[in-house]
Amino acid sequence: DAGITQSPRHKVTETGTPVTLRCHQTENHRYMYWYRQDPGHGLRLIHYSYGVKDTDKGEVSDGYSVSRSKTEDFLLTLESATSSQTSVYFCAIRTGGNTEAFFGQGTRLTVV
Amino acid sequence: AQRVTQPEKLLSVFKGAPVELKCNYSYSGSPELFWYVQYSRQRLQLLLRHISRESIKGFTADLNKGETSFHLKKPFAQEEDSAMYYCALSGSGNNDMRFGAGTRLTVKP
Repeated sequence: DAGITQSPRHKVTETGTPVTLRCHQTENHRYMYWYRQDPGHGLRLIHYSYGVKDTDKGEVSDGYSVSRSKTEDFLLTLESATSSQTSVYFCAIRTGGNTEAFFGQGTRLTVV
Repeated sequence: AQRVTQPEKLLSVFKGAPVELKCNYSYSGSPELFWYVQYSRQRLQLLLRHISRESIKGFTADLNKGETSFHLKKPFAQEEDSAMYYCALSGSGNNDMRFGAGTRLTVKP
């Protein structure tokens, strides 16, 4: 499992509500990433973190915020969920540079 | 900004035929390139990376800086190669990792 888990695995929520997804790792990897996967768009980077309290925006960060208060957890928050945020969300970890990224199993989020 | 383009969303070949999945990139610095694969109901996993210059499951990929390409090739496709393939780029000096839109490969018997 590469020591990475996502929770919840599935969630249905209503438009306008806040939602938080959690990524937890046991590998002590420095870098953590959140992606969304949509047909025709592949994986698009939302935010990533390069250390505790150090985060940066990706290519589709609008409407999302993240927090990393400890090495093992990287939280993704949809501040006010919209239907366009219905997607499968993947978390990934890696030590950095040209190293392999390990992925979580994904969270399927549906906003109704 | 770095960008990865996979021009083919779908690719279908017969078992035993050669297969090539195309990947082009845009990046002003020195790129680190990867191929990831997602089999049905499994997590994304690394297939290979350009710095290793290795062959995994019969697949190879060569970085062509002149053409800014990193195409994935296999001389004889197998049915178990059917999966979603993603090309990814990480720029040197940063750890922002971007993916292409993916190519779904189907190998027919």
